Amino acid sequence: GAVVSQHPSWVICKSGTSVKIECRSLDFQATTMFWYRQFPKQSLMLMATSNEGSKATYEQGVEKDKFLINHASLTLSTLTVTSAHPEDSSFYICSARQTGAESQPQHFGDGTRLSIL
Amino acid sequence: AQTVTQSQPEMSVQEAETVTLSCTYDTSESDYYLFWYKQPPSRQMILVIRQEAYKQQNATENRFSVNFQKAAKSFSLKISDSQLGDAAMYFCAYRSPNTGNQFYFGTGTSLTVIP
Repeated sequence: GAVVSQHPSWVICKSGTSVKIECRSLDFQATTMFWYRQFPKQSLMLMATSNEGSKATYEQGVEKDKFLINHASLTLSTLTVTSAHPEDSSFYICSARQTGAESQPQHFGDGTRLSIL
Repeated sequence: AQTVTQSQPEMSVQEAETVTLSCTYDTSESDYYLFWYKQPPSRQMILVIRQEAYKQQNATENRFSVNFQKAAKSFSLKISDSQLGDAAMYFCAYRSPNTGNQFYFGTGTSLTVIP
């Protein structure tokens, strides 16, 4: 089946550091990818929709300059948390939808646990 | 925006018994998709079952089945013959074809399976 690889799975870094998270569709092309944030024992909150070759669409309340999204190819989207602070610590999950298969479910990555000291 | 409500933060079931998780949603759309996802402690999102709104027949996937009531905007998940491996957070999700196919998730139900 379709696989989405997310890397790294866990990152710990100092406050002020920028952290890049990658989301790759391994065996299919994904024009659209989605980035979610999940706090402990809470639901997934959509942060932004990443579109290949164009600007991402951010949900209300999500800082575009804080969470930079790049979707430069049909198999890779990246989320960069710039100048990360402890309040950015969270679990980030990406998902991808296969191009031309809009009726099919999205495929999720395994998530990235981000801890900012 | 569509809203998805899971009114049961926590549920428990005896092993081999049956449990039903509730989900309701609010929408003005007629065409959409509904999903149940399982998130074990590893936090991987695992698709359990999906339902297309235009289909009247309830989806079934082995021990998992849904009760889809479109008029009532209800989409409950029934787990039969519960197993220890079923213990996880369960999220109900709504997907709209009209808003970029983005998902709207419920707040989740934590299921405990008692041996």
